[in-house]
Amino acid sequence: GAGVSQSPSNKVTEKGKDVELRCDPISGHTALYWYRQSLGQGLEFLIYFQGNSAPDKSGLPSDRFSAERTGGSVSTLTIQRTQQEDSAVYLCASSFQRGAQETQYFGPGTRLLVL
Amino acid sequence: GENVEQHPSTLSVQEGDSAVIKCTYSDSASNYFPWYKQELGKRPQLIIDIRSNVGEKKDQRIAVTLNKTAKHFSLHITETQPEDSAVYFCAAPGRDDKIIFGKGTRLHILP
Repeated sequence: GAGVSQSPSNKVTEKGKDVELRCDPISGHTALYWYRQSLGQGLEFLIYFQGNSAPDKSGLPSDRFSAERTGGSVSTLTIQRTQQEDSAVYLCASSFQRGAQETQYFGPGTRLLVL
Repeated sequence: GENVEQHPSTLSVQEGDSAVIKCTYSDSASNYFPWYKQELGKRPQLIIDIRSNVGEKKDQRIAVTLNKTAKHFSLHITETQPEDSAVYFCAAPGRDDKIIFGKGTRLHILP
């Protein structure tokens, strides 16, 4: 069956430009997370959506980062005025119902390079 | 606050030996403890999980043990093989049903 998909798989952009990263979770999954992973590092939590509740944005590193989830399905992570330190792999994960009690299914990630 | 501590950050073991990775958590209400494996250049994937109604769970060479009193759980890999080389992440539920990941353990299997 279809897993979590993310697009684009790779993105190269110039410093100062805006980028949009997309995540398509598994159908029916109500919980969705975004993480950032720098080379050789752990999973840095960015934002968490659970059903119709207000998202937990506590991990967003600055106001240049925002995310939305339309219709409880697809999510987009937007980074405005990108900086070189934004270069990383951005991973999306989804899970069924009560997110923390269920398996997290990760997408393949978007590798972002800011020149 | 909610926190998941994972140790060690790096672990090297001889092929065939056992590897143990430990995690501690702070939220006593947590009752689900998964472990994820991330191979180089790939996405994290669940390898085993345990719920609070059991103390140990095994799946072939992999086992997870849970001590709710001490609030820690461990991953055990026996008879390690080269393909076990990866980064392993533990996780536990935090407030508002949000999952919290440990910082990861890079496991190297030495020939």
